[in-house]
Amino acid sequence: GEDVEQSLFLSVREGDSSVINCTYTDSSSTYLYWYKQEPGAGLQLLTYIFSNMDMKQDQRLTVLLNKKDKHLSLRIADTQTGDSAIYFCAERRDFGNEKLTFGTGTRLTIIP
Amino acid sequence: DAGITQSPRYKITETGRQVTLMCHQTWSHSYMFWYRQDLGHGLRLIYYSAAADITDKGEVPDGYVVSRSKTENFPLTLESATRSQTSVYFCASMDAGGAGANVLTFGAGSRLTVL
Repeated sequence: GEDVEQSLFLSVREGDSSVINCTYTDSSSTYLYWYKQEPGAGLQLLTYIFSNMDMKQDQRLTVLLNKKDKHLSLRIADTQTGDSAIYFCAERRDFGNEKLTFGTGTRLTIIP
Repeated sequence: DAGITQSPRYKITETGRQVTLMCHQTWSHSYMFWYRQDLGHGLRLIYYSAAADITDKGEVPDGYVVSRSKTENFPLTLESATRSQTSVYFCASMDAGGAGANVLTFGAGSRLTVL
């Protein structure tokens, strides 16, 4: 996962917006993903974006993709205590390659 | 049960012993994967499989063996466990087409401790 970089920790006050950032290195990446992992559980897909899109919105989640800078972000509006988890960014590098490469994960802590 | 299941969920073993982690999926997904999760490394791919009897190495395959005689099962074997293999192991699957294509679905994980 060294090719996909994320900050390890983020703390946000309840009700504020959380922004989790990710930098990837492969410009040919086709799909980029955000997964959520709650304590003791597996990874759950939150959303994903195709590389020809700049933005995708799904309820409280907004994904922004900057292909020029190879930067992906996940914004969570009105952050709640249930959003406390580890968030993983992942890239799928090209068509015909089914492997996903994951980042180190960002642990989001909500401050009451 | 529908979905992807891993067993055992927790395992403690000793250095040098053989351990097999099981993974079973009910969707008939073509692709199956094994990842390990370690602090500071995120998830790293161990092995993957595109179909029954087709497997290939990932990023960290040393010390592991896989097989896929049936589409629904993808066991991971540690032939002689070492302490560095203490980790949480995740199995995942992906469909080759249709609505499940492009989406990796994970099992709940198997936590392995090697003493």
